[in-house]
Amino acid sequence: QVQLVQSGAEVKKPGASVKVSCKASGYTFTNFDINWVRQATGQGLEWMGWMNPNSGNTGYAQKFQGRVTMTRNTSISTAHMELSGLRSDDAAVYYCARSPTGVLPYYFDSWGQGTLVAVSS
Amino acid sequence: SYELTQPPSVSVSSGQTASITCSGDKLGNKYACWYQQKPGQSPVLVIYQGRKRPSGIPARFSGSSSGNTATLTISGSQAMDEADYHCQAWDSSTVVFGGGTKLTVL
Repeated sequence: QVQLVQSGAEVKKPGASVKVSCKASGYTFTNFDINWVRQATGQGLEWMGWMNPNSGNTGYAQKFQGRVTMTRNTSISTAHMELSGLRSDDAAVYYCARSPTGVLPYYFDSWGQGTLVAVSS
Repeated sequence: SYELTQPPSVSVSSGQTASITCSGDKLGNKYACWYQQKPGQSPVLVIYQGRKRPSGIPARFSGSSSGNTATLTISGSQAMDEADYHCQAWDSSTVVFGGGTKLTVL
């Protein structure tokens, strides 16, 4: 079955960077885009961007441009999301989510379990 | 930037029909999708491309849209349907989510 398994919780200081990983299994990693979505406590979902694991092409939400980088390692079917210049309002659960490549409008048919990122001095 | 608006909360009696709305400019043309999220869990896709149900989603979940509004309908609501529901659309190469609606089944 399709699974996206994310790395564990992180605690970071303001100004630091965090890198979250997402390991895919149960399907061909390069056939689906990987997106990143975050959710602050008690808040709604916020899309951060997408990456095509086949080409490495990315697209970032305007809010995060310049601070987020999405990469992948196809040999181990793993996607990464790095967010720099952390602020207190970046504290959230970060999810990776799969979407069918080239299919619009976007929808996310499988999600990781989430990674809690805390930002505290 | 594009915005989607959902009511913060909706209540329904067990066995009755719940309707959750999502409003946005010309949303009816954007084939919205819907996610269910229970406390402490990841979202689950329940409707995509406006009205399609993924495999494993019960038939009591349905989606529709018209004009500026997309609607998620849960027919014969059950206690297990109590959750947050998020609508999502695609606009100008950007994914947009609504603020989420908490569904309470009484």
